[in-house]
Amino acid sequence: LAKTTQPISMDSYEGQEVNITCSHNNIATNDYITWYQQFPSQGPRFIIQGYKTKVTNEVASLFIPADRKSSTLSLPRVSLSDTAVYYCLVGVSYNQGGKLIFGQGTELSVKP
Amino acid sequence: DAGVTQSPTHLIKTRGQHVTLRCSPISGHKSVSWYQQVLGQGPQFIFQYYEKEERGRGNFPDRFSARQFPNYSSELNVNALLLGDSALYLCASGDSGRLDEQYFGPGTRLTVT
Repeated sequence: LAKTTQPISMDSYEGQEVNITCSHNNIATNDYITWYQQFPSQGPRFIIQGYKTKVTNEVASLFIPADRKSSTLSLPRVSLSDTAVYYCLVGVSYNQGGKLIFGQGTELSVKP
Repeated sequence: DAGVTQSPTHLIKTRGQHVTLRCSPISGHKSVSWYQQVLGQGPQFIFQYYEKEERGRGNFPDRFSARQFPNYSSELNVNALLLGDSALYLCASGDSGRLDEQYFGPGTRLTVT
């Protein structure tokens, strides 16, 4: 599975747009890019997934360039409740039963 | 619809004891996975079960075992507890066709003293 690299932490203020970039240079042709959000003492929550170009849902947007070696999670107009750890995952190990590999994630802190 | 449920919520055990954690997947999901998350790190894969068979195992010692029941619920067992087993244990369920989109429960916080 491709290794991912993302910033350890980011700070933002309420109302701002936040962009978190993840590098995955060794992404395989069949790999999708998935982002999870985790609040303290809760399980991770799937927020968005994409393969190429741009995907948007009610929570976030995901931008993936043509070479797919990176991706950017965009959170529009963040609020205090968006304070969480955001994980970028690439692919899933089907030969290990669907193992997800989580890195350290990006700890986003939104301030008033 | 009910999400993934786990019990108990919190647990305190002593070194050397064993523990059983339980998980009920989302209705219709046949895949259940277990993850361990220590403070400050991302979740680490322990096991995955599908249709009551183990399909994946992470790099954990044999003290960790699991099983899945006919109703697709699952148990994680840990024997001979060590202080380092203190962590949040997460259960995730998923559709076999979309295993990169898994749904996590709230976790069981295990403290070993």
